[in-house]
Amino acid sequence: DTAVSQTPKYLVTQMGNDKSIKCEQNLGHDTMYWYKQDSKKFLKIMFSYNNKELIINETVPNRFSPKSPDKAHLNLHINSLELGDSAVYFCASSQGGPGNGETQYFGPGTRLLVL
Amino acid sequence: SQELEQSPQSLIVQEGKNLTINCTSSKTLYGLYWYKQKYGEGLIFLMMLQKGGEEKSHEKITAKLDEKKQQSSLHITASQPSHAGIYLCGAELTGSNYKLTFGKGTLLTVNP
Repeated sequence: DTAVSQTPKYLVTQMGNDKSIKCEQNLGHDTMYWYKQDSKKFLKIMFSYNNKELIINETVPNRFSPKSPDKAHLNLHINSLELGDSAVYFCASSQGGPGNGETQYFGPGTRLLVL
Repeated sequence: SQELEQSPQSLIVQEGKNLTINCTSSKTLYGLYWYKQKYGEGLIFLMMLQKGGEEKSHEKITAKLDEKKQQSSLHITASQPSHAGIYLCGAELTGSNYKLTFGKGTLLTVNP
């Protein structure tokens, strides 16, 4: 029983392409997140949605656009991929929003390599 | 500079040894989370601490929160190869709009 799932697990693509990563959680949580973990293993938040509404939007290039069709899904679309976008992208979810002592549960990650 | 500093950055121990990983914040902590990451896997939630002096244990892993020092320590007793991985602390910090900020992680290797 996968709690937070992401697809694909691996993604290798050419610079300039547009790609999407999908995330689904079956925990009934209200809040979902996208994080980026760079080559130095530094994990940093990108976006957060609560009940399909954007609540956190970090300084991320506008080539990155999250989309939440319903509260169980938060997809990440990336336009015009660049070499520096290569990283591991993690999706997470929590029952309540951040700041309420809510534990975030993470997906397995999507390893993106831009050539 | 990092808002959350973890030390050490990496650690190699013999199986059976005890070890401690520290996480120190430059800002007031509202919640401190410990996660473990193995290659190819997501972050596995270990423990969450909220109150100063709070201590929690899960199997052979114990975490404490020292609110005055704005620091948390993760202690593993009698380490096993299964404990190997990257340990990440994450925290809700003052002035961060309650976003979860992570340290850079501690890579733990346990030699049999």
